[in-house]
Amino acid sequence: GENVEQHPSTLSVQEGDSAVIKCTYSDSASNYFPWYKQELGKGPQLIIDIRSNVGEKKDQRIAVTLNKTAKHFSLHITETQPEDSAVYFCAASIFPSGNQFYFGTGTSLTVIP
Amino acid sequence: EPEVTQTPSHQVTQMGQEVILRCVPISNHLYFYWYRQILGQKVEFLVSFYNNEISEKSEIFDDQFSVERPDGSNFTLKIRSTKLEDSAMYFCASSRDSSVSTDTQYFGPGTRLTVL
Repeated sequence: GENVEQHPSTLSVQEGDSAVIKCTYSDSASNYFPWYKQELGKGPQLIIDIRSNVGEKKDQRIAVTLNKTAKHFSLHITETQPEDSAVYFCAASIFPSGNQFYFGTGTSLTVIP
Repeated sequence: EPEVTQTPSHQVTQMGQEVILRCVPISNHLYFYWYRQILGQKVEFLVSFYNNEISEKSEIFDDQFSVERPDGSNFTLKIRSTKLEDSAMYFCASSRDSSVSTDTQYFGPGTRLTVL
């Protein structure tokens, strides 16, 4: 089955700096890669996703890049703010729907004011 | 914005007891899921459900687990005889039909299950 690895497990950055979280996956059939943000006591909330026919996607301060050849994808957060502090999970799945998401182990991001 | 809701937020039970975790998926969604997250570990898939039947399940989802959509809005996870190792956060998720371009799974806030 699919195996998703995520690094780093913890990340601290100064407010205003950029943060990068990286994930690798093992199954070349995976074609959908969402990123979730989980705040304390809450469920994972989707922040951005990317499909295998796209190399990069951006939404304001958040961007995701995908390298299908190397089977890795990354989350980039620019101009970090204290409210970006949370646990971030990457996941991989095979479209269409009905298929399980394989999650990474999570990255605890702390943005220091 | 519509969201997935789950009740209760925290459930404490004795080992061997049955528990039912409840979820209300987003109303126009057709696919439903249960995941669990043991403290400090990754989110793990349990089961997916579509058209009133299980479409996929993991090895974790053994005979002590069952899912049901008892009416048009609720989606439940039953654990028949709880074990200590069932203690975890259980997340419900839902997604729309695969015929549309958006395949995102939307997660509820979770139910923390504590088995004593």
